[in-house]
Amino acid sequence: DIQMTQSPSSLSASVGDRVTITCRASQGINNYLAWYQQKPGKVPEVLIYAASTLQSGVPSRFSGSGSGTDFTLTISSLQPEDVATYYCQKCDSAPFTFGPGTKVDIK
Amino acid sequence: EVQLVESGGGLVQPGGSLRLSCAASGFTFSPYEINWVRQAPGKGLEWVSYISSSGSKIHYADSVKGRFTISRDNAKNSVFLQMNSLRAEDTALYYCARIDWNYFYFHMDLWGKGTPVTVSS
Repeated sequence: DIQMTQSPSSLSASVGDRVTITCRASQGINNYLAWYQQKPGKVPEVLIYAASTLQSGVPSRFSGSGSGTDFTLTISSLQPEDVATYYCQKCDSAPFTFGPGTKVDIK
Repeated sequence: EVQLVESGGGLVQPGGSLRLSCAASGFTFSPYEINWVRQAPGKGLEWVSYISSSGSKIHYADSVKGRFTISRDNAKNSVFLQMNSLRAEDTALYYCARIDWNYFYFHMDLWGKGTPVTVSS
């Protein structure tokens, strides 16, 4: 099965900073990748699918890129409400494995 | 209101069984595929199982294969997860999530609030 990894596992940044999270698949998955945000104590919400398509209603400061095995989620200007754990998920075929998550907080 | 509501969680002894339900309301349920996703306390998300809109296509994570069974009843707008031979490592909050498609790409666009399962003696 394809394994998903993320880096870093956690990060602390200042409001307004540009933040980049990396997700790597152990084998190529084309662009069949989604990103989810889970705020503390809340239900996960989809941010991006097809590696780079922004879900309706998601702020434009979030963007995704990548294809094959390497993907990135970028927050162009970190806001206090972005404190959350971010997960990537492969969506090409079962098993639909999640990455281990990246916890983002404010410095 | 468009929502998914999970139920059926609880405390069960190792080796025991539980049946989780996921009830949909506020939208036409039958065309949608559904995933179960779980989250152990303080841990990340783990995909558990998938069922197609008709129920004809089903997938499981290796960690639950042979012990869990997913099913659905479109007449009742519900999906079920029968969990047998439960282990301590199955302790988690169990979410059901609706799958939405855009061409060939899926994502989970609607999640329930989850139902907690605790496996302990």
